[in-house]
Amino acid sequence: NAGVTQTPKFQVLKTGQSMTLQCAQDMNHEYMSWYRQDPGMGLRLIHYSVGAGITDQGEVPNGYNVSRSTTEDFPLRLLSAAPSQTSVYFCASSADSSQPQHFGDGTRLSIL
Amino acid sequence: TQLLEQSPQFLSIQEGENLTVYCNSSSVFSSLQWYRQEPGEGPVLLVTVVTGGEVKKLKRLTFQFGDARKDSSLHITAAQPGDTGLYLCAGPRGSNYKLTFGKGTLLTVNP
Repeated sequence: NAGVTQTPKFQVLKTGQSMTLQCAQDMNHEYMSWYRQDPGMGLRLIHYSVGAGITDQGEVPNGYNVSRSTTEDFPLRLLSAAPSQTSVYFCASSADSSQPQHFGDGTRLSIL
Repeated sequence: TQLLEQSPQFLSIQEGENLTVYCNSSSVFSSLQWYRQEPGEGPVLLVTVVTGGEVKKLKRLTFQFGDARKDSSLHITAAQPGDTGLYLCAGPRGSNYKLTFGKGTLLTVNP
């Protein structure tokens, strides 16, 4: 009963380092999204995908890259981490455009 | 830009009290979703309201969608400590995989 799995759960980076946040879902969902949650800001959409090979930008895409080579996986890449990217990152998936999203438990990322 | 304003931002009450939290927008949404988020976890969907004027009940929780589909409310009757958490409203920006979230109401129910 895994649902949406995010790894790692916690990460500390130095400014300028790169890393990939992993997201995997086992529900065969076509739609996947990445959000970041900051204190006092709610959740904001970073990137989303409507199927393998198709991605698009959300509300706050700068500094992040995504790809979707399989239905199951939707990794989020930080190419050169900045302190402003310190946040909690959530991945979500849904079966189609009308169904609600299922969220993972998040990755807590600190950039020093 | 479609914005969702939630109020109050923080709410601390005693067990057994009733409460209402609000989610307001100047824009019309096709639907609104309510989530609860507990520390260290992702948001979990409570309900989706779709029709203007709709009322949905989930045990002690009552959700209402405004007639004009610009606002929603969540009423909790006889709150319990287990209701403690961050309550978020969200609306689709065209589709449910592109959600706009409010900033949330952090509810604490004290025993």
